[in-house]
Amino acid sequence: QSALTQPPSASGSPGQSVTISCTGTSSDVGGYNYVSWYQRHPGKAPKLMIYDVTKRPSGVPDRFSGSKSGNTASLTVSGLQAEDEADYYCCSYAGNSNLVFGGGTKLTVL
Amino acid sequence: QVQLQESGPGLVKPSETLSLTCAVSGYSISSGYYWGWIRQPPGKGLQWIGKIHYSGSTYYNPSLESRVTMSFDTSKNQFSLNLRSVTDADTAVYYCARVSSSSYCDYWGQGTVVTVSS
Repeated sequence: QSALTQPPSASGSPGQSVTISCTGTSSDVGGYNYVSWYQRHPGKAPKLMIYDVTKRPSGVPDRFSGSKSGNTASLTVSGLQAEDEADYYCCSYAGNSNLVFGGGTKLTVL
Repeated sequence: QVQLQESGPGLVKPSETLSLTCAVSGYSISSGYYWGWIRQPPGKGLQWIGKIHYSGSTYYNPSLESRVTMSFDTSKNQFSLNLRSVTDADTAVYYCARVSSSSYCDYWGQGTVVTVSS
C-alpha cells in the first residue's frame, strides 16, 4: 500500500492554531476509524497524540484534536506552544492487520 | 511505565540478515497486546514492518513478508525481528512498539540505526 500523504511542513505563531492533513484512500483512512497521530522530537521516541481518529491518551493536552472526513484525517493543534515544534506522523489501519504511515510533517512554531 | 529498548548491530552487510531485539520493561509481553516493528529510511516516512501477538501469531507487511520473521522470548520479556537478504534499501532507523488491537502504537522505543553496507 502507498504511504499516506502529509504536507512536508506547517507553521504557526504561538497561540495560533494549525491543522495538518493526512490523505489516504477508501482502503485505509476512509475505510476505518483507526487513524492515529504521533509526535516526534529529534532523538526521541515517537509519542502517541491521537488514536481512533479523535481520542486523546491520558496526559496529552486538549489543545490536540483529531478529525476525519472521507479519505482525509486531520490533526489540529490549538494555542500553539514552543514545545509543539516537532515532526508529526499520521497512521491508519489498512486492512489485513496492516498499517500505513504518512511521510511526516515538520511543524515549526514561529 | 512501559518502556521499550531496541538493540542489535548497527552495521549489516548486503545479503546478510538484520537481527534486532526489543527489550520490554514495565509490562509482561505475554499478558497481551501486539508487539510491532516500524522503520524509517533516511529522508522518508515511517514504514510498517509487522507485528506479533503474544499468542505467537504474526502479521507482516506484504512488501516485506518474504524476508521477515518475528519471534518472542518470554523468559527475557523481549521480542525480535529478523530481516533476511538485506540491501541498501533496508538502511533505516528501526523502532519497536506496543500495538493495540485497534492498531495504534502506544509505547515506542527510541529507535536504533541500522546501516546496510559492505
